[in-house]
Amino acid sequence: GAGVSQSPSNKVTEKGKDVELRCDPISGHTALYWYRQSLGQGLEFLIYFQGNSAPDKSGLPSDRFSAERTGGSVSTLTIQRTQQEDSAVYLCASSVTSSSGGRTDTQYFGPGTRLTVL
Amino acid sequence: AQRVTQPEKLLSVFKGAPVELKCNYSYSGSPELFWYVQYSRQRLQLLLRHISRESIKGFTADLNKGETSFHLKKPFAQEEDSAMYYCALRGNNNDMRFGAGTRLTVKP
Repeated sequence: GAGVSQSPSNKVTEKGKDVELRCDPISGHTALYWYRQSLGQGLEFLIYFQGNSAPDKSGLPSDRFSAERTGGSVSTLTIQRTQQEDSAVYLCASSVTSSSGGRTDTQYFGPGTRLTVL
Repeated sequence: AQRVTQPEKLLSVFKGAPVELKCNYSYSGSPELFWYVQYSRQRLQLLLRHISRESIKGFTADLNKGETSFHLKKPFAQEEDSAMYYCALRGNNNDMRFGAGTRLTVKP
């Protein structure tokens, strides 16, 4: 079946512009995560959605970052007034949630969106 | 707060040599530990998880709660093991934290 998809694969923008990054999770996966992958910084957790629950936004670096997940499926990460330090690869991952205990299972990652802010 | 530390950014070994990628964590609850791998031009993918206690591609990792470590080991490294390896911790709220990653290079 289809895996996690992300679009666009590459995005070049000018400092100060807003950008939207899209993630299509695997069908049926209730959990969705966004990460930022910067050179030398590893994977930085940004936000986590679980079903209809309020998202865990504890990893968002500033109020310029926001994310939505519509209908429990597609998610959009929005970065307003982009800065050069926002340049990174943004990864999305989805997973199922076990019916007992509510723990999420293996994360399946998308190919990422490489964002370059000039 | 949960934290995952991978002290080595780069690790280089010769083919056939043993390899150990270090991972230490801090977490007050009952964590689940994972190793994820990213081969060149491929997606990040799960390598193994501590609750499975399995060997994948010859790699094993044992959770040591006393030392709060989850080191990844392989007795005989292969060139195809060259990749970026990330240690990850999942907390009780399903929040995930990854380490900074270790780039492993296996030389012929």
